[in-house]
Amino acid sequence: SQQGEEDPQALSIQEGENATMNCSYKTSINNLQWYRQNSGRGLVHLILIRSNEREKHSGRLRVTLDTSKKSSSLLITASRAADTASYFCATVPSTGAGSYQLTFGKGTKLSVIP
Amino acid sequence: DAGVIQSPRHEVTEMGQEVTLRCKPISGHNSLFWYRQTMMRGLELLIYFNNNVPIDDSGMPEDRFSAKMPNASFSTLKIQPSEPRDSAVYFCASTRTSVAYEQYFGPGTRLTVT
Repeated sequence: SQQGEEDPQALSIQEGENATMNCSYKTSINNLQWYRQNSGRGLVHLILIRSNEREKHSGRLRVTLDTSKKSSSLLITASRAADTASYFCATVPSTGAGSYQLTFGKGTKLSVIP
Repeated sequence: DAGVIQSPRHEVTEMGQEVTLRCKPISGHNSLFWYRQTMMRGLELLIYFNNNVPIDDSGMPEDRFSAKMPNASFSTLKIQPSEPRDSAVYFCASTRTSVAYEQYFGPGTRLTVT
């Protein structure tokens, strides 16, 4: 079953604008990760945030995590046409036999219009 | 580093035929994952190997699917006999540890079963 649920399913913005994608999940997590998938390609890891962290930055990416609400957001600032891709959140459970397992949401399809 | 290598990139076969997908993980990575991606179900974990040993195959859809990892640098996913509903993109991913931190994905094999 899908643990993370991204919102919105699709997002279209103009180049230079900021893009915000949200992810909600159901169970306690060890960490949450965001991946990007360009059309016809594999997934590329963007950023990982641990359960005891609230915010993390990497270049134009900003990720927040609210464990009380079981939600995370990914902000891409000053978007570029090359950011056009699908973005997935993935969670790792905090305990149990599946603690190695990444569970992916269905993704947000971002289109950045030049 | 060459990244995760998968072959073939595209496979078209007829129902009932045997299909073998191949994966070479990144050197030094001791965990390997096989995923399947479809529009309807998103990304699903099929099987997880650690140090060449299958740890969790609960995601394998049925007995028609089998996976092996004879050594640290090679894994196969076999479908026999194939069915149209097996049509999907199959990804292999590897990581350095047994705990799911960032995973490195291959480019995928797009399988079409007619």
